[in-house]
Amino acid sequence: EIVLTQSPATLSLSPGESATLSCRASQSVSTYLAWYQQRPGQAPRLLFYDASKRASGIPARFSGSGSGRDFTLTISSLEPEDFALYYCQHRSTWPPAWTFGQGTKVEIK
Amino acid sequence: QVHLVESGGGLVKPGGSLRLSCAASGFSLSDNYMAWIRQAPGKGLEWLSYIGGSTNTIYYADSVRGRFTISRDNARNSLFLQMNSLRAEDTAVYFCARDLGGGNTWPEGYFDYWGQGALVTVSS
Repeated sequence: EIVLTQSPATLSLSPGESATLSCRASQSVSTYLAWYQQRPGQAPRLLFYDASKRASGIPARFSGSGSGRDFTLTISSLEPEDFALYYCQHRSTWPPAWTFGQGTKVEIK
Repeated sequence: QVHLVESGGGLVKPGGSLRLSCAASGFSLSDNYMAWIRQAPGKGLEWLSYIGGSTNTIYYADSVRGRFTISRDNARNSLFLQMNSLRAEDTAVYFCARDLGGGNTWPEGYFDYWGQGALVTVSS
């Protein structure tokens, strides 16, 4: 089973600053990786899939990149609504086990 | 507009059972794989199960295999999760989610629509 490790656990930033979130897989996952945003009390929202394909309605200030074991989610200029939890997730091709990272919290400094 | 609404959560004693439902609208359940995913209080996300849209292909996480059963009723456009032999560690918010892909041979493996979640509390 693929293990995803996200870093840092918490990112303390101010609005307008840029955020860089990392996700490392225990073995190569090609580009089979997604990013989700979860605001307090809400369901997760898909941001990117296949590492860099933007989901519908996601603002351009968000970008996803990476391949192999290392992936990055970048938020170029933080808006108040971007302070949230972010999870990466592996798309399994086999075995049937879809795993999430433990999350990175982006909080207001 | 795609909409998913879970129901059936609540308080149950250890060893008890509960059945969650997920009513789908804005698309046909038969067109997509569907999943259940949970989130324990203050914890991360855990994928539990997948079911094919028009096939009987089903997958389970090791943590729930043999205790939980996923099913669907395409005529009612609804997804279900029967949970038996519940344990304290099953306490979580349970989300139903739609698979991004439209096929039925293998899940795309990403989740593009989620319900608001149903809280299940297992406690004596």
